[in-house]
Amino acid sequence: GDSVTQMEGPVTLSEEAFLTINCTYTATGYPSLFWYVQYPGEGLQLLLKATKADDKGSNKGFEATYRKETTSFHLEKGSVQVSDSAVYFCGMAARQLTFGSGTQLTVLP
Amino acid sequence: EPEVTQTPSHQVTQMGQEVILRCVPISNHLYFYWYRQILGQKVEFLVSFYNNEISEKSEIFDDQFSVERPDGSNFTLKIRSTKLEDSAMYFCASSGSSGGRETQYFGPGTRLLVL
Repeated sequence: GDSVTQMEGPVTLSEEAFLTINCTYTATGYPSLFWYVQYPGEGLQLLLKATKADDKGSNKGFEATYRKETTSFHLEKGSVQVSDSAVYFCGMAARQLTFGSGTQLTVLP
Repeated sequence: EPEVTQTPSHQVTQMGQEVILRCVPISNHLYFYWYRQILGQKVEFLVSFYNNEISEKSEIFDDQFSVERPDGSNFTLKIRSTKLEDSAMYFCASSGSSGGRETQYFGPGTRLLVL
């Protein structure tokens, strides 16, 4: 069945470090792919999305590219900030969203 | 910017009691969803709703659960007889259309604790 596998956390980085959070998916067909972010005490916010192969989603310095050949949608940011500390969820959508397990990111000053 | 709202933000209930979680989706959206997140676990799909009926539901969404759109703005999730394992954060979401390309917008969630 459809599933999303996401890099286990927690991840702790220093400010201005490079971030990669790995995400791979298993699906029939060609789903849309999403990254959602959950800040402490808040709900899920869409961070970025890509709807077809080779699309790159980007927002707030975060990027992810839809790679059909490797069924991946890894999240990257070149220089993280303390304010990026949150839980990041990779998601895949056919009709409803299927989420990965979430990755807790802590950025230290 | 329009947003999905949910009430209450927190609810504590006794096992066996009924609870109703409320959501106000974005006003021009037509598709509504409930998800839940047990503490420390992934966000799981419960049900989707369109045109006053359930369009899809997961295995989690058993006979204890029901959804309703009682008026033009609210979308509710009812748990008839709560169990300890129903303790979780419940998220409502809405989208303008169905299909994977349409973004779902989430509310802030209701944290339900069943004692």
